[in-house]
Amino acid sequence: DADVTQTPRNRITKTGKRIMLECSQTKGHDRMYWYRQDPGLGLRLIYYSFDVKDINKGEISDGYSVSRQAQAKFSLSLESAIPNQTALYFCATSAPGFDNEQFFGPGTRLTVL
Amino acid sequence: GNSVTQMEGPVTLSEEAFLTINCTYTATGYPSLFWYVQYPGEGLQLLLKATKADDKGSNKGFEATYRKETTSFHLEKGSVQVSDSAVYFCALSSGGSNYKLTFGKGTLLTVNP
Repeated sequence: DADVTQTPRNRITKTGKRIMLECSQTKGHDRMYWYRQDPGLGLRLIYYSFDVKDINKGEISDGYSVSRQAQAKFSLSLESAIPNQTALYFCATSAPGFDNEQFFGPGTRLTVL
Repeated sequence: GNSVTQMEGPVTLSEEAFLTINCTYTATGYPSLFWYVQYPGEGLQLLLKATKADDKGSNKGFEATYRKETTSFHLEKGSVQVSDSAVYFCALSSGGSNYKLTFGKGTLLTVNP
């Protein structure tokens, strides 16, 4: 079984709709992250969480919100989706440590029409 | 701030050719350096890492050496295979919080038989 899972894997939605992307992990890591990937731009950090009570904005948090329901679950919400939020979204986890190696889920491909 | 610059692709090689993907970085302190690989339709996987100057990371025939004097971490493989076709990301982790991975934009490698 995969250590980091994301649901859904693909989603098509319309402008203005609310959508939630979910991430679960069985690695026992405290730290979780949400990234978006756009062609030619690499990965950019949206939000990160060091534990259930610690949530922080990343470099591109506008238009997004998150919820850390448990150590193993970290959800990303788009309150009112817009077309330029069409992207591939990745969840990642890491354990505290000096090198910050991160483990990624398979991604969610989101299309906003 | 931290930044990663990697060779722009796409890179197209024939099987058994030599591969180099250049990566240079700007960072505060002493970063840890990573190469991640993304196979088609999948999430990112750690390929190799190095945590201090002159360290060599290696995995699956790929190598990269942490060169502090040239702030580089170039990825090399002596003989590529069709199965190496993927997107390769150079990344670093640095700074006081040491929580964030900064990614390059990715390099698409296609290996033809």
